[in-house]
Amino acid sequence: EPEVTQTPSHQVTQMGQEVILRCVPISNHLYFYWYRQILGQKVEFLVSFYNNEISEKSEIFDDQFSVERPDGSNFTLKIRSTKLEDSAMYFCASRYGMNTEAFFGQGTRLTVV
Amino acid sequence: GQNIDQPTEMTATEGAIVQINCTYQTSGFNGLFWYQQHAGEAPTFLSYNVLDGLEEKGRFSSFLSRSKGYSYLLLKELQMKDSASYLCAVRDYGGSQGNLIFGKGTKLSVKP
Repeated sequence: EPEVTQTPSHQVTQMGQEVILRCVPISNHLYFYWYRQILGQKVEFLVSFYNNEISEKSEIFDDQFSVERPDGSNFTLKIRSTKLEDSAMYFCASRYGMNTEAFFGQGTRLTVV
Repeated sequence: GQNIDQPTEMTATEGAIVQINCTYQTSGFNGLFWYQQHAGEAPTFLSYNVLDGLEEKGRFSSFLSRSKGYSYLLLKELQMKDSASYLCAVRDYGGSQGNLIFGKGTKLSVKP
């Protein structure tokens, strides 16, 4: 069964460092998302991406964040200068069409120290 | 604003039936989703309602009333492996946006 894959599964980084979280969405999907979940809290939307551009972003997705789809398969989230409060599980998700469900990757647990 | 409410925790017995309620107030509505999330894992899709009524899928059913801003997830013949958090999520718009707004989740504990 096709699945969304994310790497790495865990990332520890020092405050102020840049991190890149990688995702390979399901191959025929058209809509891509990043969500995050701080430990013990709800899943929060960060950004959506369609037709090679950001279609929507939340207040969380400030200038420190960026996304790219550098080729036909990868979808990356970059955090330029990490803060302690960026520590969370980051989930990538994709969906095929307008009335379909989103499939989530297994997540990257980011710890900023 | 966007608000999705569901109970924080529930406990049920193996073999029983449990109903997890969700109420929502969102600026738009393009479908309500239920996801299951085991601790430390990704949310996995359970069900989707866009029209009023009941959708049944094996041991899981989901109901939607758009006029009341209300949904429930019904789990039958509970198994120990059903112990997880159940996330109610609303898609507020369709098209190229259509991101999900999640509730805080209901942690279900199934006991023998």
